[in-house]
Amino acid sequence: ILNVEQSPQSLHVQEGDSTNFTCSFPSSNFYALHWYRWETAKSPEALFVMTLNGDEKKKGRISATLNTKEGYSYLYIKGSQPEDSATYLCASKTSYDKVIFGPGTSLSVIP
Amino acid sequence: DVKVTQSSRYLVKRTGEKVFLECVQDMDHENMFWYRQDPGLGLRLIYFSYDVKMKEKGDIPEGYSVSREKKERFSLILESASTNQTSMYLCASSATDRGLPEAFFGQGTRLTVV
Repeated sequence: ILNVEQSPQSLHVQEGDSTNFTCSFPSSNFYALHWYRWETAKSPEALFVMTLNGDEKKKGRISATLNTKEGYSYLYIKGSQPEDSATYLCASKTSYDKVIFGPGTSLSVIP
Repeated sequence: DVKVTQSSRYLVKRTGEKVFLECVQDMDHENMFWYRQDPGLGLRLIYFSYDVKMKEKGDIPEGYSVSREKKERFSLILESASTNQTSMYLCASSATDRGLPEAFFGQGTRLTVV
């Protein structure tokens, strides 16, 4: 793939449910994969930077995995809370300094 | 805390107007970026700057120009605003290389051109 794709485009879950979504990126010339959280009326905030195949990162109830050979990353949220509602962006950086953002997954957590 | 501040949160301009979007960062970062975000599309890079008075075109520079006279300030200029430039504009800054390994973003400016 030449672009960064994210799925699903949007997601509605009940408070307490666990959820996950996907970022697919070009696997050639891979350098790094970034996840950002963008809450409404706020600035996007960096969550994770991942560089190695098999990387797993965790921050509280949120974790991410990386597969550079097949070009995907999963973001998991355990026990979703209303404050997790946001758009989650991934961005792929190649070794040629090219950064491509995905369109984002919009998560709504219903109390 | 790193702060990237954009001058306006919401802006409405008329077609043909010259529009300035201002961005200021307080972390002495070398690298600054302007993106736009449209529904269903990722953040798209318009221009970036890796030093004072230096600028490079991003993926969609047409219809835009930039100015970086001081390290902390990066301005995006719409020479003659058009309706297809209605969008959310995000400024970012980064201490490391031009490739944006980890950036700090402003809060965004939602521009509507009528």
